Amino acid sequence: QVHLVQSGAEVKKPGASVKVSCKVAGHTLTELIMHWVRQAPGKGLEWMGGFDPEDGETNSPQKFQGRVIMAADTSTGTAYMELSSLRSEDTAVYYCATTTVVASYYYMDVWGEGTPVTVSS
Amino acid sequence: DIQMTQSPSSLSASVGDRVTITCQASQDINNYLNWYQQRPGKAPKLLIYDASNLKIGVPSRFSGSGSGTDFTFTISGLQPEDVATYYCQQYDNLPPSITFGQGTRLEIK
Repeated sequence: QVHLVQSGAEVKKPGASVKVSCKVAGHTLTELIMHWVRQAPGKGLEWMGGFDPEDGETNSPQKFQGRVIMAADTSTGTAYMELSSLRSEDTAVYYCATTTVVASYYYMDVWGEGTPVTVSS
Repeated sequence: DIQMTQSPSSLSASVGDRVTITCQASQDINNYLNWYQQRPGKAPKLLIYDASNLKIGVPSRFSGSGSGTDFTFTISGLQPEDVATYYCQQYDNLPPSITFGQGTRLEIK
C-alpha cells in the first residue's frame, strides 16, 4: 500500500522560498504523477501542478508558472515542490497527492498528511 | 482553462435527508469528473471517480451522475459522519490540467 510522508511545518518571511518534500513508500516514484494541492486557511483546494518524475515534465496553472519548481530524487523516492517569492497569500497547507492506478492526470486517491506553511514577517 | 462552478457553497440538512450538490463545467468535460470529501483537519478523500463510479470501500449512500457540463453528487440518507466539505474535480490530459470546484460545506441541522 502506498503512503506519502511529507516534511514538517515551515515558517517563512515574505520574499523567501519554501521547499516541501514528499517521500513515497510502497511504490516506485517514476510510475506516478505527483500532484501538489494547497489549501489556504478556511478556503478550498487549489491545484498547483503535476510532475512526472520519469521525464521531469511539470504542468501547472499559469498562476504558478515561474514561481513553482517541482522535482524528484528517484534514488530516495522523494518528490519536492519549491515555491519562491512567498507572500502572505501563500500561507496554506500544502499536500502532495497521487494515484497508482495510472500515470496520468486522473484522480488522487493517495494523499500526504499536509505541510503547513506560514508566511509572516 | 476549464472553470468548475459548484453549488451550493454550504448547506444544512437533517440526518436521513437526501442531499444534492451540483457542479457545472465551463465546457464539455465528458465524464472526467471526480468527487472528494474533506473532513476538518484532514486530507481529502476520493469518493466518486469518472462522474458515477463509487470508489471501493465508500458507502453506497454516496452516488454521482452527469456528463458533459452538468454533474450531480448525492448522499441518500445523510449520516452524522458525513459532515464535511465536498469538492468536485475535473481532469484533462490534453493538455494536462486539474481544476477543483469551490467546495460545499455540509452541516447537520
